[in-house]
Amino acid sequence: KAGVTQTPRYLIKTRGQQVTLSCSPISGHRSVSWYQQTPGQGLQFLFEYFSETQRNKGNFPGRFSGRQFSNSRSEMNVSTLELGDSALYLCASSLLDGQETQYFGPGTRLLVL
Amino acid sequence: GENVGLHLPTLSVQEGDNSIINCAYSNSASDYFIWYKQESGKGPQFIIDIRSNMDKRQGQRVTVLLNKTVKHLSLQIAATQPGDSAVYFCAEKRSPIKAAGNKLTFGGGTRVLVKP
Repeated sequence: KAGVTQTPRYLIKTRGQQVTLSCSPISGHRSVSWYQQTPGQGLQFLFEYFSETQRNKGNFPGRFSGRQFSNSRSEMNVSTLELGDSALYLCASSLLDGQETQYFGPGTRLLVL
Repeated sequence: GENVGLHLPTLSVQEGDNSIINCAYSNSASDYFIWYKQESGKGPQFIIDIRSNMDKRQGQRVTVLLNKTVKHLSLQIAATQPGDSAVYFCAEKRSPIKAAGNKLTFGGGTRVLVKP
């Protein structure tokens, strides 16, 4: 069974631009969570989607948004990029509501210049 | 790993020895804990998990111990191998309420270096 896939793997943007990252969960997984990883702040929770609904949201500004499609694939969008948004963005999926084990994808490395 | 080592604790261990990685958590309501391994350039890889109604769980070469009294979690790796070199993260799910979802709160990570 294929793991969590994320596209693109690497991305370079400039300040003020926006970016959309994509995540395909493991087949059959319905919950998708997004995390931001930086050397200074570590791994921080962005949001979680389950059955196309955002169920949980971390402490990030409104420039960070996401959505989930009926096939459980998810996208996250960051608008008006800032230098501090440079990070590894990780997507994780889990099987069922209440099944906590989350499996991570390889991440999308975003560099904002 | 992505938590580059300026402030990352490092555990240096001889190949073949046992490793113990420690993690403290703060929320007594946390009901689920998980350990991940992250190699350079990769996403975190699931190692083992444990629920709060257990105090020990074993996997292949790994054991997780949970001490709820002092809010402490540890990961023991037996016969550490060069392939175990990575950054290890503990994570907790702070709300036992199913409707609260699967948000995980991560520790800062520990870098393990295995010396041949």
